[in-house]
Amino acid sequence: EIVMTQSPATLSVSPGERATLSCRASQTFSSNLAWYQQKPGQAPRLLIYGASTRATGVPARFSGSGSGTEFTLTISSLQSEDFAVYYCQQYNNWCSFGQGTKLEIK
Amino acid sequence: QVQLVQSGGGVVQPGRSLRLSCAASGFTFNIYTMYWVRQAPGQGLEWVALISDDGSNKYYSDSVKGRFTISRDNSKNTLYLQMNSLRAEDTAVYYCARVSLLGATTTYFQHWGQGTLVTVSS
Repeated sequence: EIVMTQSPATLSVSPGERATLSCRASQTFSSNLAWYQQKPGQAPRLLIYGASTRATGVPARFSGSGSGTEFTLTISSLQSEDFAVYYCQQYNNWCSFGQGTKLEIK
Repeated sequence: QVQLVQSGGGVVQPGRSLRLSCAASGFTFNIYTMYWVRQAPGQGLEWVALISDDGSNKYYSDSVKGRFTISRDNSKNTLYLQMNSLRAEDTAVYYCARVSLLGATTTYFQHWGQGTLVTVSS
């Protein structure tokens, strides 16, 4: 089983600033990684797949990068609607999710 | 558009059973692998079970193996999760989800149901 570890658990950032979220895998793989955004009471929303490809309708301020064991989600200029919990998911070997990073307003 | 509409959650006593349903529309249901994913209160996401497009292959997480059964009725475009011998630690919001890639068993999820809360408590 591939264990996904996200950091930090909580990230406090001011609107308009950049946010960088990290996801580390216990085993190396190339690009079978996705990022999701989840708001309270809602299902997860796909943001990024293939480590760096934005899903349909996702704003360009969201970008993903990385390979191997280190992956990053960057939000270039935070908008009010971006404050949420973010999860990474590997689908290289079955399926496993990170424990989430809560992005909160500073 | 793709829609996954869930039903069947609720409060159940430990050791009892419950069945969840997920009605699909807006796509050709019988050519996609389907998943159940759950989220315990305040916790992260955990895949629970998956079923191949024709129902011939089923896989379960260790935490539910032997107690839960995933199934589908392609004539009704509906996915099911039969949950037996429920435990307090099964308390969670359960989501159905469709794989995003045809022919893939493991992939990312573009489409999710709205979620249904299962509470196991005496």
